[in-house]
Amino acid sequence: EPEVTQTPSHQVTQMGQEVILRCVPISNHLYFYWYRQILGQKVEFLVSFYNNEISEKSEIFDDQFSVERPDGSNFTLKIRSTKLEDSAMYFCATGGNTEAFFGQGTRLTVV
Amino acid sequence: GDSVTQMEGPVTLSEEACLTINCTYTATGYPSLFWYVQYPGEGLQLLLKATKADDKGSNKGFEATYRKETTSFHLEKGSVQVSDSAVYFCAQTNAGGTSYGKLTFGQGTILTVHP
Repeated sequence: EPEVTQTPSHQVTQMGQEVILRCVPISNHLYFYWYRQILGQKVEFLVSFYNNEISEKSEIFDDQFSVERPDGSNFTLKIRSTKLEDSAMYFCATGGNTEAFFGQGTRLTVV
Repeated sequence: GDSVTQMEGPVTLSEEACLTINCTYTATGYPSLFWYVQYPGEGLQLLLKATKADDKGSNKGFEATYRKETTSFHLEKGSVQVSDSAVYFCAQTNAGGTSYGKLTFGQGTILTVHP
């Protein structure tokens, strides 16, 4: 069964540092997404990516965030200068014709 | 805007008990509705879905019916097992077309089933 893989599974970083979260999407999918879930809260949409550009983004996805497909396979989320409130589980997802497939998530802890 | 509201948890049941997790939505238009499940240490997995009014999604003994008149998509199972212990998320999307990936989630309901 195809799956979306995310690395690392857990990352601890100091406030103000840059982090890059990585995702390997399902190969024939064209839509890619990032979501986050702050502990105890809802899973929230961050951004969608199609045809090598952002197709939609939420209010959360400010200038500190960026996404790209650097090599045509990986899909990355970069947070330029992390804040304590960026601590959350980050999920990558890829969209097929009938459903979205989610990775296992990266738990980001900012200290 | 679009939103999803789930019943508050956590829910604790004994094995073989009946389960209902309520979910209601607000949307402009006619969304597709989903239930996702997250087992401990794993990602979100699609449990079932319904794409139009009166559709019933079902999988692994779980069912949910798309009720437009009550804007609801309640999750039900007649007899739960310990292995059903997980977090359950109701979600909707109006994206349609070629992608179902932009989802609006409910807050999640933790289900614990005891032997």
